[in-house]
Amino acid sequence: EAQVTQNPRYLITVTGKKLTVTCSQNMNHEYMSWYRQDPGLGLRQIYYSMNVEVTDKGDVPEGYKVSRKEKRNFPLILESPSPNQTSLYFCASIKRTSGSSYEQYFGPGTRLTVT
Amino acid sequence: AQKITQTQPGMFVQEKEAVTLDCTYDTSDPSYGLFWYKQPSSGEMIFLIYQGSYDQQNATEGRYSLNFQKARKSANLVISASQLGDSAMYFCAMSFPNSGGSNYKLTFGKGTLLTVNP
Repeated sequence: EAQVTQNPRYLITVTGKKLTVTCSQNMNHEYMSWYRQDPGLGLRQIYYSMNVEVTDKGDVPEGYKVSRKEKRNFPLILESPSPNQTSLYFCASIKRTSGSSYEQYFGPGTRLTVT
Repeated sequence: AQKITQTQPGMFVQEKEAVTLDCTYDTSDPSYGLFWYKQPSSGEMIFLIYQGSYDQQNATEGRYSLNFQKARKSANLVISASQLGDSAMYFCAMSFPNSGGSNYKLTFGKGTLLTVNP
């Protein structure tokens, strides 16, 4: 089954304690991305990756790091989490189909609370 | 700068009727893509449909179609024959080129909450 998995699904942590949210896809997609969703602000792109070792900033990259050492995994790292990073996080991958068409697959989301 | 606007915070529709969710965008890039997503109350994000800026025909996917009017910079989602399960938040998004030219930066609208009444 084609899927994007994220772990953990829920996390409560304290300010400053480094954490990693993992994301993995089994579809061999080149493109992956991280988003955060906040009430009233909608979804905002944090980082994206066009392929292994190729990443770029989205709209809200401050306080986050990513790495893409292999095609299937795209972890999101918070080196020193702060309460303003409390949010719902989604990982996604995109498959380019025929011509210029795309399909996008999302992970189930990770609800992070930083106290 | 690129911008996506969804002007309808909420919409109501009767079951089996069609509904149009509005989305307008602003960009100076000739190459861009337009996406629609559905987020039910359970929270998952579901990709619905995609339209490229150079595509001549409107995209369709089952009961979903994207009414792409390039000159007006609008990309409205049309849902035909609404079902109760269509009740959800719907987001419009646009992809546009980064400095390297690949078309993978995305910006989202604030969403429209659709309620389908029986």
